[in-house]
Amino acid sequence: GAGVSQTPSNKVTEKGKYVELRCDPISGHTALYWYRQSLGQGPEFLIYFQGTGAADDSGLPNDRFFAVRPEGSVSTLKIQRTERGDSAVYLCASSYDGRSTDTQYFGPGTRLTVL
Amino acid sequence: KQEVTQIPAALSVPEGENLVLNCSFTDSAIYNLQWFRQDPGKGLTSLLLIQSSQREQTSGRLNASLDKSSGRSTLYIAASQPGDSATYLCAAPISSGSARQLTFGSGTQLTVLP
Repeated sequence: GAGVSQTPSNKVTEKGKYVELRCDPISGHTALYWYRQSLGQGPEFLIYFQGTGAADDSGLPNDRFFAVRPEGSVSTLKIQRTERGDSAVYLCASSYDGRSTDTQYFGPGTRLTVL
Repeated sequence: KQEVTQIPAALSVPEGENLVLNCSFTDSAIYNLQWFRQDPGKGLTSLLLIQSSQREQTSGRLNASLDKSSGRSTLYIAASQPGDSATYLCAAPISSGSARQLTFGSGTQLTVLP
């Protein structure tokens, strides 16, 4: 596609439920990133994929968070047993080949609200 | 650990004014520095990326500078317009481990008054 797309755009769930957030990167981009942005703050890094493998998952806050990218394109961020503190905008980005000098292109985000 | 700070947090200017947004970072061993724009409820749009070997980058009315020795970057916007109203974020990759993750500042919320 022309840009990074994310679905759903909004997700409202109840505390304790499981959610999946999807990211479709720019075609041909091998690197994919997930960030989380709380109100009034800049995005915070969660995880980075190079191809199918998670090259850096040091930003995942705890083991309730997990992400996959099985075919090296679409990625899914999975959150188990959601908590109210998980409410935020989840942003996905992609870059051409993951070099440190690459520009990262961001999607519109998924706004997650945990009631 | 890289820390990025942006001052001011909010800025309001009349249309036509030239303005400067500031970004400072603690670890000068950066690969690059990127400026983004974020409109309310939207994702981030990349504006300019300055490589560590560069001093500045220009795109239209925007000019970004980078001074690694002082740990500072500025985004200069010439002849501001109401359409420039948005939050502006700067970000730098961390210098250790995976250099791909970006560390962001909290942003400067710019309002250009018609």
